[in-house]
Amino acid sequence: KAGVTQTPRYLIKTRGQQVTLSCSPISGHRSVSWYQQTPGQGLQFLFEYFSETQRNKGNFPGRFSGRQFSNSRSEMNVSTLELGDSALYLCASSWGGVMNTEAFFGQGTRLTVV
Amino acid sequence: TQLLEQSPQFLSIQEGENLTVYCNSSSVFSSLQWYRQEPGEGPVLLVTVVTGGEVKKLKRLTFQFGDARKDSSLHITAAQPGDTGLYLCAGFNDYKLSFGAGTTVTVRA
Repeated sequence: KAGVTQTPRYLIKTRGQQVTLSCSPISGHRSVSWYQQTPGQGLQFLFEYFSETQRNKGNFPGRFSGRQFSNSRSEMNVSTLELGDSALYLCASSWGGVMNTEAFFGQGTRLTVV
Repeated sequence: TQLLEQSPQFLSIQEGENLTVYCNSSSVFSSLQWYRQEPGEGPVLLVTVVTGGEVKKLKRLTFQFGDARKDSSLHITAAQPGDTGLYLCAGFNDYKLSFGAGTTVTVRA
């Protein structure tokens, strides 16, 4: 069974540009979550989608947005990039249970903003 | 500020020694998960604990969930170089995982 696939693996962008990251979850999983990982802040929750609906959102500015398609694939968009957005962006896939869920992570997209 | 506090932040031990990593919070979680992450890769799930007081053993790894479901520990017996990595605990509530800052474990051969 294929794991979580994130594309691209690496990305270099200039300040002010926008970027779109993609995540394909494990087949059958309906929940996709996004996390930002930096050396200073660790892993921070961005948002979670289940059946195309956002169920929870972290404390990030509105420049960070996401969506989920009917096939459960998800995209994350960051507009007006800042240097501080340089990070490893991780996507996690799960069944989407209310009380307990086991999340399986992709390898991440390493975004560098210059 | 991390919702979950992990300690220690760094741990360097010799092969064959034992180690324990702690994860504490003032919040109650519906479940708690432990992950291991290697450089340049995403975290890999090791275990999920759900019931207060639960103890799970996976080969040389023992995981414990506190009675009040606020804290957890990970104990590795007879550590091996392959155990080297960043160990992360994460509490699950409201469809999101809140992560600790992680413990970097280095096992020297």
